Amino acid sequence: KAGVTQTPRYLIKTRGQQVTLSCSPISGHRSVSWYQQTPGQGLQFLFEYFSETQRNKGNFPGRFSGRQFSNSRSEMNVSTLELGDSALYLCASSLLAGGTGELFFGEGSRLTVL
Amino acid sequence: EDKVVQSPLSLVVHEGDTVTLNCSYEVTNFRSLLWYKQEKKAPTFLFMLTSSGIEKKSGRLSSILDKKELFSILNITATQTGDSAVYLCAVVNAGGTSYGKLTFGQGTILTVHP
Repeated sequence: KAGVTQTPRYLIKTRGQQVTLSCSPISGHRSVSWYQQTPGQGLQFLFEYFSETQRNKGNFPGRFSGRQFSNSRSEMNVSTLELGDSALYLCASSLLAGGTGELFFGEGSRLTVL
Repeated sequence: EDKVVQSPLSLVVHEGDTVTLNCSYEVTNFRSLLWYKQEKKAPTFLFMLTSSGIEKKSGRLSSILDKKELFSILNITATQTGDSAVYLCAVVNAGGTSYGKLTFGQGTILTVHP
């Protein structure tokens, strides 16, 4: 069974640019959630999507957005990048929504903003 | 705002030692508490705890939740070098606009020397 796939694995952007990250969940999983991991703040919840609907959102500015497609694949977008957006972005998929099921994490997309 | 505090932040032991990792939390509506292990890649699931006083066990790892005192512990007996990792604790919120939101602690860095 294929795991959670995130692309790209590494990317470098400059301030002011935008970036789109992709996450393909485990087959059959309809919940996809996104997290930002930094050395200073640890793992922080960005948002969760279930059946193409955003279920909840963390405390991040509106520059962070996401969407989910009918095949459960999800993308997150960060516009007007800032240096502080440099982080590992982790995606997790689950059979159930709302944290009721086990989360399976992808290996992450490491974003560096120069 | 939900909060998770883990202690100690780092721990160095020798193979064969027993370790206890602590996780205390504040959450407006408790659904569950999760433990994850993170090596260089994606966090991997260890335990989900929802009921107080019931120990979950998997090999040399075990965990228990105290909902009255709002904490959980993760025990690892007969530690091995392969146990070296960051151990993450998270709580899941069950209520209102925070439904399904996970809040992670900073993690405990465990280093096991041969």
